[in-house]
Amino acid sequence: DQQVKQNSPSLSVQEGRISILNCDYTNSMFDYFLWYKKYPAEGPTFLISISSIKDKNEDGRFTVFLNKSAKHLSLHIVPSQPGDSAVYFCAASSGTYKYIFGTGTRLKVLA
Amino acid sequence: GAGVSQSPSNKVTEKGKDVELRCDPISGHTALYWYRQRLGQGLEFLIYFQGNSAPDKSGLPSDRFSAERTGESVSTLTIQRTQQEDSAVYLCASSPRGTSGPDTQYFGPGTRLTVL
Repeated sequence: DQQVKQNSPSLSVQEGRISILNCDYTNSMFDYFLWYKKYPAEGPTFLISISSIKDKNEDGRFTVFLNKSAKHLSLHIVPSQPGDSAVYFCAASSGTYKYIFGTGTRLKVLA
Repeated sequence: GAGVSQSPSNKVTEKGKDVELRCDPISGHTALYWYRQRLGQGLEFLIYFQGNSAPDKSGLPSDRFSAERTGESVSTLTIQRTQQEDSAVYLCASSPRGTSGPDTQYFGPGTRLTVL
């Protein structure tokens, strides 16, 4: 039973265009969401987070949108750069230290 | 400053052998997590340490898995009588845990375990 799903295992985008990574969840108790980026042979690094009291959080080129009614969140990267090529994980928490992670989406930004 | 470090980076072992994986968290971080990532899957929570509180071991998949942490420093994850299904990347993360809610975790590079 996967509570956090990233249904697209991979995504390719041209440099300069928008990358949209999606994440769906099933547990309505989740109230805090994060995105992590992972390069090969490195651990995941924190990218951006959003609390359920918000529907949008922006940090530079990265924006996370939360649609609670649809139990869906998305990460937008604009403009996409080749250095953004990595695996992106979404994670959700119900206010505790425990996070449930998705399976990741591999983003490839083409120069 | 130094991040989370893990050793070894790679470990190949034979089925039935015991392995020990090490994690050095960021200094001052009171919380420490172990995760497992099997091929093509997400990060799977294994165990959580917070200060001197009893650890949350609810994610350990079997009694062959155990972990220890000395105070707020080094942690070791031990897998006894390894099986092929234990092959995975084992990730450690630490967090300052200064707030009451969820906080950002800082991950190490992981240990890739291969059980032959």
